[in-house]
Amino acid sequence: DAGITQSPRHKVTETGTPVTLRCHQTENHRYMYWYRQDPGHGLRLIHYSYGVKDTDKGEVSDGYSVSRSKTEDFLLTLESATSSQTSVYFCAIRPGTGILPEAFFGQGTRLTVV
Amino acid sequence: AQSVTQPDIHITVSEGASLELRCNYSYGATPYLFWYVQSPGQGLQLLLKYFSGDTLVQGIKGFEAEFKRSQSSFNLRKPSVHWSDAAEYFCAVGINTGGFKTIFGAGTRLFVKA
Repeated sequence: DAGITQSPRHKVTETGTPVTLRCHQTENHRYMYWYRQDPGHGLRLIHYSYGVKDTDKGEVSDGYSVSRSKTEDFLLTLESATSSQTSVYFCAIRPGTGILPEAFFGQGTRLTVV
Repeated sequence: AQSVTQPDIHITVSEGASLELRCNYSYGATPYLFWYVQSPGQGLQLLLKYFSGDTLVQGIKGFEAEFKRSQSSFNLRKPSVHWSDAAEYFCAVGINTGGFKTIFGAGTRLFVKA
């Protein structure tokens, strides 16, 4: 367990509603990431953060926004959920220093948009 | 653009047989390379990583991988597969452009038959 908690773990929501997923870490790591996992696509980066209030887009950022007001929390918001955003969402963390370039992953959030 | 290709969507091997999962990457600089494993319903666990030094790296659970710069490859191997190795395997490359990001391949699902 890398000290990452994702919430909720499962969610069903209706098309057009806003949804916020939370990633909480206890490691005080600098980098945090949101990925989505879909069959045949592996994990695709949505957004990432390299510090408090410092965020940037990944390869599939349309329809998503993020916020990081504290080191330990990284929120992913679907502004108006669509069926194409049905997916499993993973949060990952990585320290900003040292020789450990690998990311550590949470357990995932399964989101269904109906 | 940076990318990771795993040419085999799924592979079936007999228990006790050897295994090789293929991975090719596209990245202009010296890459950080990773293999992760995901069991059903779980997050991703790091198997091994490469970022410098000996091109043959050892990981957990008896896995190893070899970095071949001339072929842009980082294939994962195991001499004798166990039924518990059945899972999905992801190759990934770490890139450092405006913040460190990890780009994943689409994954290879391993089936193990008795």
